[in-house]
Amino acid sequence: AQSVAQPEDQVNVAEGNPLTVKCTYSVSGNPYLFWYVQYPNRGLQFLLKYITGDNLVKGSYGFEAEFNKSQTSFHLKKPSALVSDSALYFCAVRDADSGAGSYQLTFGKGTKLSVIP
Amino acid sequence: GAGVSQTPSNKVTEKGKYVELRCDPISGHTALYWYRQSLGQGPEFLIYFQGTGAADDSGLPNDRFFAVRPEGSVSTLKIQRTERGDSAVYLCASSEGGHGTDTQYFGPGTRLTVL
Repeated sequence: AQSVAQPEDQVNVAEGNPLTVKCTYSVSGNPYLFWYVQYPNRGLQFLLKYITGDNLVKGSYGFEAEFNKSQTSFHLKKPSALVSDSALYFCAVRDADSGAGSYQLTFGKGTKLSVIP
Repeated sequence: GAGVSQTPSNKVTEKGKYVELRCDPISGHTALYWYRQSLGQGPEFLIYFQGTGAADDSGLPNDRFFAVRPEGSVSTLKIQRTERGDSAVYLCASSEGGHGTDTQYFGPGTRLTVL
């Protein structure tokens, strides 16, 4: 079984400050990890993913995430938050060793990010 | 290029009725997924197609839910005898092929309301 936890329902940060949105995961094998962002009444937009290799992954709009295997975490970060970053952020995982029959993603409940001007 | 499109964007129906939700994937993508997102929750997997066949339908909640992809492109999610608990946003996603590392690209969703 695979699962994701996003421990914070909401994160508030001042514009210009660094932001972190936390994610921890659980899989039987090795993880493939993804971050998506959802704006109101919109679908999910892909930000970045970790498959293998460098633990620091860079993605769209200046976001990055760090894979930490020992802590089973994949926190999303940005050095300087913008008001336009305010949205709902979802972390997702897939077990890389689950076989070719299923590519389903398991999502966390989401974290609402509010960037205050 | 064009992204994943879904129609209708909103659907209101009465309890017990039948509904169909349509998904047009990104051109050339062979893999297609359906997810359901309830209020305040993350998307939950329903079914995955590779080409025309359902490779994994383990997320379908019961036999009232059925999906098809007859020509390996457009997919239709069908819900019979709708119940109020079926109210949710139904999301469709597609990816290039049959690789677990592929990025899934999502459509805007269909908001289903069952009265």
